[in-house]
Amino acid sequence: GAGVSQSPSNKVTEKGKDVELRCDPISGHTALYWYRQRLGQGLEFLIYFQGNSAPDKSGLPSDRFSAERTGESVSTLTIQRTQQEDSAVYLCASSLVFGPPRETQYFGPGTRLLVL
Amino acid sequence: AQSVAQPEDQVNVAEGNPLTVKCTYSVSGNPYLFWYVQYPNRGLQFLLKYITGDNLVKGSYGFEAEFNKSQTSFHLKKPSALVSDSALYFCAVRGFTDKLIFGTGTRLQVFP
Repeated sequence: GAGVSQSPSNKVTEKGKDVELRCDPISGHTALYWYRQRLGQGLEFLIYFQGNSAPDKSGLPSDRFSAERTGESVSTLTIQRTQQEDSAVYLCASSLVFGPPRETQYFGPGTRLLVL
Repeated sequence: AQSVAQPEDQVNVAEGNPLTVKCTYSVSGNPYLFWYVQYPNRGLQFLLKYITGDNLVKGSYGFEAEFNKSQTSFHLKKPSALVSDSALYFCAVRGFTDKLIFGTGTRLQVFP
């Protein structure tokens, strides 16, 4: 079946511009997560959505970052006034069940963002 | 605080030899532990997980991992390495919250 998809696969932008990244989770997955992977580093949690509950935004690094999710489908991560330090791979993941037993998160291929 | 440590930045092993990629964790309560693999320019692929039950967990591509509560470790192993196993491996833990906390990754290089 179809996995998690993300678009665009690559994005080059100029410092100060806004960017929008899209994630299509696996159909039926109630939980959706965004992570950031900087070059040579591990993954940092950014935000997650679970059904109709308020999202956990505890990982967002600044107020320039925001995300939305429409129901249990598509999510968009928006970065306003991009900075060079925002350059990274942004990964989206989804999972089927929220709550015990904790289910496996399945990752998309990521969006590689380069801020010039 | 919940955390994961991967003490080795890189592991080198000859093809056909056994491999081990180390992971230790720190979490309150019972940990849920995961291993993911990342090939160049691709997302993370799930390998295996420990939630409860047998301490030895078997996963994809012949990999297995051993949960050791007393040593707070979850090392990834494979009896016979393949060149195609060369990739970046991440250990992750999920505790009371459902987000994954990742280690910094270990690059596995398998030489022919």
